[in-house]
Formats: sequence, C-alpha cells, structure tokens
Amino acid sequence: GAVVSQHPSRVICKSGTSVKIECRSLDFQATTMFWYRQFPKQSLMLMATSNEGSKATYEQGVEKDKFLINHASLTLSTLTVTSAHPEDSSFYICSARDSGWGSGELFFGEGSRLTVL
Amino acid sequence: AQSVAQPEDQVNVAEGNPLTVKCTYSVSGNPYLFWYVQYPNRGLQFLLKYITGDNLVKGSYGFEAEFNKSQTSFHLKKPSALVSDSALYFCAVRDIKGGYQKVTFGTGTKLQVIP
Repeated sequence: GAVVSQHPSRVICKSGTSVKIECRSLDFQATTMFWYRQFPKQSLMLMATSNEGSKATYEQGVEKDKFLINHASLTLSTLTVTSAHPEDSSFYICSARDSGWGSGELFFGEGSRLTVL
Repeated sequence: AQSVAQPEDQVNVAEGNPLTVKCTYSVSGNPYLFWYVQYPNRGLQFLLKYITGDNLVKGSYGFEAEFNKSQTSFHLKKPSALVSDSALYFCAVRDIKGGYQKVTFGTGTKLQVIP
C-alpha cells in the first residue's frame, strides 16, 4: 500500500510556542490530505481537509487560526499548532488518498504526539 | 449524514478462538466500508474494504468482513485469533453519493486476545 510519513512522532513544547507537524505522501500524489485529532481511548476527530493549492476546509468547532494548515505541494501538508496550550496536547494523525482516487481507502501517517507543558 | 456504530468498546477472546468485531453503518447512498487497525501510539493501518461485488471481503492478516446490506452491517471476523491481533479496530464508511469525500470513523473497539 501507499506510504504516508508524518514527522515528528513526538514533540514536547512550552505553552505559548508553535509546533509544526509534517505529513508527506512518499510514493503517490495527494491532492487531498486529512488531519485528525485523537483523544485517549477515543475515535478520530476530523479537524480539517487539506487541499493542495487552496485553503483548507475546517470542521465545525476547529479554530482555523489556531490550527494552520498548508498544502503547498502534492506530497506535503503541514499542520501548525499556534500558541500551543496544554489543552492542545493530543495525538494528531494525518491521512491521504491517492489523487487517482481509485478504491478510496485512506493511508495514514504514524501520528504525532504533542505534549504542551 | 453518514454514521458508523461500533457497539462494543472491548472484545475479549481466547487465542485460537474465532473473533468478531461488530460494525453497523448508515448512509444515504451506497457505502464504501473500511476496517482499520491501530496499535498503541501508532497511526492506522488499512485492513480491508468493501466497494462492490462479493459480500465477503478478505483482507490483511487473515481478517475478513461480511457486508450485509439488509442489516447495514460490516462485521470484522477472523477464524482463529492471535495474541498479536490485540489492538484497537476502527470501522469506517464513506458515502459515494454525490462525490462526498469524507470518511466517518466509528468509536473503535479494543480487541484483547487472551493467551
């Protein structure tokens, strides 16, 4: 299957700083990538849909100024958590679908665990 | 709106016994259905999918799932459980009507295989 690389896998930062998480599709092009947040023992919450060359589409209740998404190329989307606070601590996962659409399954990165002190 | 229900938070099964993880869905059109597995502190791995055709779908690691349109179910099964199958399992659905792209995930079922 296709490979999605997510970096960093773990990050610890101080409250008030910004953190950038990268999501790369390694062997396919992805016009659309998705960013999820997962709380302990809970399902994935879709935060936003990242569209190559255009603005991301945010889900209701997700602060677009807080969670900045950039999808500058067909293989890279970034999520920047700005002015992070302890309540932003979570497991963030990206996923992508091959631009050829095909059978439609998503390929996931390994996730990034953010801890804000 | 589309939705997925996984009624069991946790399923316990003895090693070597058959396992079933339940999933029901709701969509307005025809569904694309998926199962994913997540190991601790990892991303999700794709197991199998139903798009069309044979209702019994075979996937990775010996898992299979049966699409039942009348019961709107897509239960995950394996004939003989392994301890290494212990993980969190997510059912997901995508409504293909109107080109809708979002995938909706269930709440997850923790599978515990007991040696």
